[in-house]
Amino acid sequence: DTGVSQDPRHKITKRGQNVTFRCDPISEHNRLYWYRQTLGQGPEFLTYFQNEAQLEKSRLLSDRFSAERPKGSFSTLEIQRTEQGDSAMYLCASSLGRLMNTEAFFGQGTRLTVV
Amino acid sequence: GDSVTQMEGPVTLSEEAFLTINCTYTATGYPSLFWYVQYPGEGLQLLLKATKADDKGSNKGFEATYRKETTSFHLEKGSVQVSDSAVYFCALIATGANSKLTFGKGITLSVRP
Repeated sequence: DTGVSQDPRHKITKRGQNVTFRCDPISEHNRLYWYRQTLGQGPEFLTYFQNEAQLEKSRLLSDRFSAERPKGSFSTLEIQRTEQGDSAMYLCASSLGRLMNTEAFFGQGTRLTVV
Repeated sequence: GDSVTQMEGPVTLSEEAFLTINCTYTATGYPSLFWYVQYPGEGLQLLLKATKADDKGSNKGFEATYRKETTSFHLEKGSVQVSDSAVYFCALIATGANSKLTFGKGITLSVRP
């Protein structure tokens, strides 16, 4: 297994457009997280899944953001009507969440620039 | 809710200096604790972890001990190298089925030759 894979690595979009990012987790991992990171800040939690169930979504997250994990494998994060403030690195991570919550492994991220 | 507090940065050290980066946490139960590192232009990597009280995580010369009595997980290295220059994040995940990974704000370490 090659680890967590994110696509695309970079995305430039015009304000008001919709964008979708994909994350492929490590194959046996049942947990999948989405985070957002801006320059000089720590990762900000967006949402996470246990298998196909979305367990939590950040209360700070606009309803323009939506995420899915339809079959408990890959996940997509969609941002509708993008704004300049959405420019950030979007990180995906996966882990094994069972009796002991284990460490998460991160992908390289998708850098979004909204112009 | 769960939270992680890291010391303010940035930190600049000379090569071979001793490093301590403080991290304290608030969580219910017995969380697992982690240090992640982000090298310039790269993604987040797990540096070390500890899953129960008094455990010591270690990797690449870095160490951190899970101190439940002080709710701390300070990162230490006896002799830093220029290649250790990076951003360091302390993180936790609490016990329980619905717990999520929570990060501190991170601290930038710069090591000069």
